[in-house]
Amino acid sequence: KAGVTQTPRYLIKTRGQQVTLSCSPISGHRSVSWYQQTPGQGLQFLFEYFSETQRNKGNFPGRFSGRQFSNSRSEMNVSTLELGDSALYLCASSAHRDRGQTNEKLFFGSGTQLSVL
Amino acid sequence: GNSVTQMEGPVTLSEEAFLTINCTYTATGYPSLFWYVQYPGEGLQLLLKATKADDKGSNKGFEATYRKETTSFHLEKGSVQVSDSAVYFCALRAQGAQKLVFGQGTRLTINP
Repeated sequence: KAGVTQTPRYLIKTRGQQVTLSCSPISGHRSVSWYQQTPGQGLQFLFEYFSETQRNKGNFPGRFSGRQFSNSRSEMNVSTLELGDSALYLCASSAHRDRGQTNEKLFFGSGTQLSVL
Repeated sequence: GNSVTQMEGPVTLSEEAFLTINCTYTATGYPSLFWYVQYPGEGLQLLLKATKADDKGSNKGFEATYRKETTSFHLEKGSVQVSDSAVYFCALRAQGAQKLVFGQGTRLTINP
């Protein structure tokens, strides 16, 4: 079974630009979460999607947005990039069980390393 | 709010040494606790977990016990190997929540 796939692996942008990152979850997984990893702030939760709906959102500005498609693939978008947005962006998927139970095992992708110049 | 505090790294040990990485947490109720490992250039992998007080999670020789009285979940391994070199993250998930709250991570280097 293929793991969580994130593309691209590396990305270089300049301030003011926007960027879109992609995440393909493990086949059959319906929940996708995004995390930002920086040396200073560590791992911070961005948002979580399930069945094309945003279920949870972290404490990030509105420049950070995301969406999930009917095949569970997810994208996140960052507009008007700032130097501080340079980070490793990690996507994680889980097989969200029905009946509202949270599944505790997250499978992470290798991430997209974004550098803002 | 919920938070996780890990011992600061980096930690450098010789092969076959005993390892302890301290982790304490702040949370209401009964969170689930996790240790994740990140090897260079890779994403995070779940190392072990514990979902209730006094549970012991174990995997690949690593162990951690959920201590409610001290709000701790320290990671231990009796004899480390060079291949254990990585960054280790302690994390919690609050009751009823989906998101993980991570500690800052501890970089571990094992020398032969």
